[in-house]
Amino acid sequence: DVKVTQSSRYLVKRTGEKVFLECVQDMDHENMFWYRQDPGLGLRLIYFSYDVKMKEKGDIPEGYSVSREKKERFSLILESASTNQTSMYLCASRGGQVVNQPQHFGDGTRLSIL
Amino acid sequence: QKEVEQNSGPLSVPEGAIASLNCTYSDRGSQSFFWYRQYSGKSPELIMFIYSNGDKEDGRFTAQLNKASQYVSLLIRDSQPSDSATYLCAVKGAAGNKLTFGGGTRVLVKP
Repeated sequence: DVKVTQSSRYLVKRTGEKVFLECVQDMDHENMFWYRQDPGLGLRLIYFSYDVKMKEKGDIPEGYSVSREKKERFSLILESASTNQTSMYLCASRGGQVVNQPQHFGDGTRLSIL
Repeated sequence: QKEVEQNSGPLSVPEGAIASLNCTYSDRGSQSFFWYRQYSGKSPELIMFIYSNGDKEDGRFTAQLNKASQYVSLLIRDSQPSDSATYLCAVKGAAGNKLTFGGGTRVLVKP
């Protein structure tokens, strides 16, 4: 079974702090994704990566950056946290380029910015 | 127009009945389609995927794809209270690596 592990289930930070959310997968997947999920807005893609040191912007990248130094780890960085970044953050991974490969999600990090 | 659209619900279904969920998408070149189930406070988990026109069955779940009409549906037969959740439709477009998710349909199965 694919295991996607997010470092924290709950996190509380203050406005202006630099926040790191970590995600690790154990299946040697090429593709990794960061989403945020908000009531009424669904899942929105922030950034994704298809290889080490490669990244692409998703639909809502503003205020975020990412890092993928190793294949198994994909980090989401909030450069200067703001209250509108309070949300549930979900990491996912997917293997290969086969068209029907599913994405597997971590348990999520509920982030509150005060 | 959203790229992937679902009725937000809630869809209320009596126990034992069939729940029918629909999803439409705008990218005509979309290649593969996924249904995820998400319980409240939990992360999405994959139920089924489909990439060919027609029906695909897995246990009590049937996915139906009609690329000409750009819709995909999910049927849940013999609905159980444990099926109460939000169901997310996700579509992989013609280009790129990402999935686009619909807003989800909330299903309530009443005993």
